[in-house]
Amino acid sequence: QKEVEQDPGPLSVPEGAIVSLNCTYSNSAFQYFMWYRQYSRKGPELLMYTYSSGNKEDGRFTAQVDKSSKYISLFIRDSQPSDSATYLCAIEKTSYDKVIFGPGTSLSVIP
Amino acid sequence: DGGITQSPKYLFRKEGQNVTLSCEQNLNHDAMYWYRQDPGQGLRLIYYSQIVNDFQKGDIAEGYSVSREKKESFPLTVTSAQKNPTAFYLCASSLGLAGGELFFGEGSRLTVL
Repeated sequence: QKEVEQDPGPLSVPEGAIVSLNCTYSNSAFQYFMWYRQYSRKGPELLMYTYSSGNKEDGRFTAQVDKSSKYISLFIRDSQPSDSATYLCAIEKTSYDKVIFGPGTSLSVIP
Repeated sequence: DGGITQSPKYLFRKEGQNVTLSCEQNLNHDAMYWYRQDPGQGLRLIYYSQIVNDFQKGDIAEGYSVSREKKESFPLTVTSAQKNPTAFYLCASSLGLAGGELFFGEGSRLTVL
């Protein structure tokens, strides 16, 4: 079983829709959870960084962690064409540990 | 502007040739990393370095080599021993060997002909 799994998509939504992106992980020792956004032919950039369970909001983006289910989500409200990118979830056991990336979900927001 | 610069952006290589990818950062970060990205797979760690003149193998180091002679620079050599070198290579850095926020370069796409 892979340490972190993510539906690769592609996911296509109309502009203004609410987008839900999800990852599952296998080891309950993971405590730090991140979402990176990667535009085509560019390097990833950090969107959200959360510790343990709960929600974290930043503008139109909300990261949600459910450690009991080993499930992490990223919600995008009022999606825009500029949100079209690949979204990578990432996890680590401690803040000094190796970061493990999911394969990414490709999102297209259609005007 | 602070950031990470990777070069070249695109590179073609014949089988059996070694090739070196450049990575330079001006963020004054101690830790630097090389990742490989293939379609449908997450980023896989090739090598990382915490300090100058020290580096460690990641998950897929076979067929690759690195050096860290300066804090700002962490070049990656893809050797002829790498069986499937065609990929997108990403260099990253962080303040320390703390995961969390990794700052990435724009990547180098290597194609073996």
